[in-house]
Amino acid sequence: AVQLTQSPSSLSASVGDRVTITCRASQDISSALAWYQQKPGRAPKLLIYDAFRLESGVPSKFSGSGSGTDFTLTISSLQPDDFATYYCQQYDSDPTFGGGTKVDSK
Amino acid sequence: QVQLVHSGAEVKKPGSSVKVSCKASGDTFSTYSISWVRQAPGQGLEWVGGIIPIFGTAKYAQNFQGRVTMTADESTSTAYLEMSSLRFEDTAVYYCARGAPNWDDAFDLWGQGTMISVSS
Repeated sequence: AVQLTQSPSSLSASVGDRVTITCRASQDISSALAWYQQKPGRAPKLLIYDAFRLESGVPSKFSGSGSGTDFTLTISSLQPDDFATYYCQQYDSDPTFGGGTKVDSK
Repeated sequence: QVQLVHSGAEVKKPGSSVKVSCKASGDTFSTYSISWVRQAPGQGLEWVGGIIPIFGTAKYAQNFQGRVTMTADESTSTAYLEMSSLRFEDTAVYYCARGAPNWDDAFDLWGQGTMISVSS
């Protein structure tokens, strides 16, 4: 199974900060990567698919990049509603998820 | 508006079985796959397996093979997850999620989840 390693596992940031989260795959997954946002007690919400495509209705402050084994999710200007946990997921083979990155307030 | 609606919470004893459902309202789910993803308390996300309702074909994560069965009823747009030989560590929220029929896509729609608690 493809293993996904997210870093950092948590980070503290302030409103207005630029936030970057990375996801590394254990083997080449091309662009078959998605990013999700999850808030406590809620289901995950799709943000990015195919490594860089923005899901309909998701603000453009979210962006994704990368291919092969190294991927990045960037939030250009963190807002209060963005404090959450973020997961990457690959679908090049049977789906697997990264361990998550919790973004909280500094 | 398309939604995936779960059945209610379950409390089960170790060694028993459970069957939970996920109903698609507002759209047919025949042209999609439906996966089940679980999340233990305070933990990350784990794919359990999925089914393509129009074909009735299912595949399961290796960790769950032999212990889970996924089925679907196209007439009611409902997917089912049945898990047997329940263990304490199966305690989790189980989400259904919609994906592409060839498995080659992200999960764009999620249900609210069903909590399964395994307790003696």
